[in-house]
Amino acid sequence: GAGVSQSPRYKVAKRGQDVALRCDPISGHVSLFWYQQALGQGPEFLTYFQNEAQLDKSGLPSDRFFAERPEGSVSTLKIQRTQQEDSAVYLCASSAHHGTGYNEQFFGPGTRLTVL
Amino acid sequence: KNQVEQSPQSLIILEGKNCTLQCNYTVSPFSNLRWYKQDTGRGPVSLTIMTFSENTKSNGRYTATLDADTKQSSLHITASQLSDSASYICVVSDPLWRGGGADGLTFGKGTHLIIQP
Repeated sequence: GAGVSQSPRYKVAKRGQDVALRCDPISGHVSLFWYQQALGQGPEFLTYFQNEAQLDKSGLPSDRFFAERPEGSVSTLKIQRTQQEDSAVYLCASSAHHGTGYNEQFFGPGTRLTVL
Repeated sequence: KNQVEQSPQSLIILEGKNCTLQCNYTVSPFSNLRWYKQDTGRGPVSLTIMTFSENTKSNGRYTATLDADTKQSSLHITASQLSDSASYICVVSDPLWRGGGADGLTFGKGTHLIIQP
């Protein structure tokens, strides 16, 4: 597996349920990003990790959203008490170096979350 | 707020024809501009990355141009193929916009391109 993988690919949740989305970045990649992509829109930044440190979480829309990367590799995005407006595709991306603006980000296929 | 505007919103062309997609941005300053291709149900894949000092960059049948003075970029696709059907997203990087050394990417909404046989 040379690319970024995400699981599950599809998730249906009832309103109020908690969900956990997993991202496996490319091995050895330092930086990891989470994005939210609503239907017909471009991705929007949620949060950024450099190794295990969460350096920027300014894009998280509410305190119901939480992300972690405890060992600097796999990351989990958790959404508590899901709401219908959380329905979107959640994309994970990784890059080889810490964020400088020049690094290429490699995206996973995304997890499509539907909240009923 | 930094913005990236793309046009047209959607485009349908016949296989074999050329097309040009437009991107206007207000991000300033910026370090680089990227074009991504996103197939349905997949994550975006990078086509080109241009720094502010570059005017053009090619990747096979894809050629991106950049005019930093007018804050415009275009993506030209030559001899389109059915596999070119996808959304094409313009992305501008402003690392100063984000704290913590993140890449500060602002994404456009994309142009949805359909190639018909």
